[in-house]
Amino acid sequence: DTGVSQNPRHKITKRGQNVTFRCDPISEHNRLYWYRQTLGQGPEFLTYFQNEAQLEKSRLLSDRFSAERPKGSFSTLEIQRTEQGDSAMYLCASSLSGENTEAFFGQGTRLTVV
Amino acid sequence: DAKTTQPNSMESNEEEPVHLPCNHSTISGTDYIHWYRQLPSQGPEYVIHGLTSNVNNRMASLAIAEDRKSSTLILHRATLRDAAVYYCIPGLFGNEKLTFGTGTRLTIIP
Repeated sequence: DTGVSQNPRHKITKRGQNVTFRCDPISEHNRLYWYRQTLGQGPEFLTYFQNEAQLEKSRLLSDRFSAERPKGSFSTLEIQRTEQGDSAMYLCASSLSGENTEAFFGQGTRLTVV
Repeated sequence: DAKTTQPNSMESNEEEPVHLPCNHSTISGTDYIHWYRQLPSQGPEYVIHGLTSNVNNRMASLAIAEDRKSSTLILHRATLRDAAVYYCIPGLFGNEKLTFGTGTRLTIIP
């Protein structure tokens, strides 16, 4: 296992289109997180899962955004009716629950909405 | 969430120690202090965390003030590979929601 994997690495889409990103966490990790990062800013929390349950969603996650982790393994983040303001790096991370754990991040998916 | 204050940028010479400060005066008693860094074109990576006592690992040391209102990340011998944005993040230990600020951009001078 080489770490958290995100696909695609880059996505260019036209405004109004739907996009879906995939995250494959480290295999034994039960927690999975999504973050969004715009230029010059630190990552912003969007949502996280423990196994297949979505435990918290940020108010940044508008109703155009939906995330799933159907079998507690990989996760998808879908953005419907994309807007130019959705252009950002979308980062996925995973960790074990409990003490003495750390979050491992993927390299992200860069979305450009034109 | 506890608010943090970090310098926007710092420079250091290669092979010298680097001290990266962070103020977190509103930290709660149960918040750990996490440090992550983000290399260019990469996702963030964990550096170190602590609660009250100073901590050491293979990457860095973390010195926590007695009142826990500030902390300092110490890179003992900076290399060019340490050039990154360093984030200080008070929060619950379980990483449920890491609240990144804008961090400190560290430049290493050869």
